[in-house]
Amino acid sequence: EAQVTQNPRYLITVTGKKLTVTCSQNMNHEYMSWYRQDPGLGLRQIYYSMNVEVTDKGDVPEGYKVSRKEKRNFPLILESPSPNQTSLYFCASSLLLNGEAFFGQGTRLTVV
Amino acid sequence: GDSVTQMEGPVTLSEEAFLTINCTYTATGYPSLFWYVQYPGEGLQLLLKATKADDKGSNKGFEATYRKETTSFHLEKGSVQVSDSAVYFCALSRSNDYKLSFGAGTTVTVRA
Repeated sequence: EAQVTQNPRYLITVTGKKLTVTCSQNMNHEYMSWYRQDPGLGLRQIYYSMNVEVTDKGDVPEGYKVSRKEKRNFPLILESPSPNQTSLYFCASSLLLNGEAFFGQGTRLTVV
Repeated sequence: GDSVTQMEGPVTLSEEAFLTINCTYTATGYPSLFWYVQYPGEGLQLLLKATKADDKGSNKGFEATYRKETTSFHLEKGSVQVSDSAVYFCALSRSNDYKLSFGAGTTVTVRA
């Protein structure tokens, strides 16, 4: 089954404790992105990747890092989480630029 | 920059009622337009799309027409069901861009 898998689904952590949210896709897609979803704001892009070892900032990259060492994986790293990073996070992948995006089920992160 | 504006929710309807969710956009050039749906506890999935002016996207009884002259992409369904209860997002993507720009989302609840 074609899918994007994120882990964990839910996470509560404390300010400053480094964490990683994993994302993996099994569709051999070139393009992958991370979004955060906040009430009243829709989804905003954090980082994206066009291929292995090629990443770039989206609209709200501050406080986040990513890496793309393998085509299928695109982890999101919060080096020092803060309460304003409490949000619902989605990983997405697509075969084509400007094509249909496939989303993971989301990771609800709470930073206290 | 690009932006998408959706009608505010929440929207509550009875089964078999007509649904319209308004969406207008601001973007340079000729973006592709999308409607994504998010069912409770799940990630977003593509509902329909249109890639050029006057195109009509349709799926699962939903329709939307790309109106360049009014920069709109309103979503409609003639007879909703309880299973259509979800959050609906309008989004756009430009041909040379690596991201989707989303509206804030509209929560739709259909009552039996």
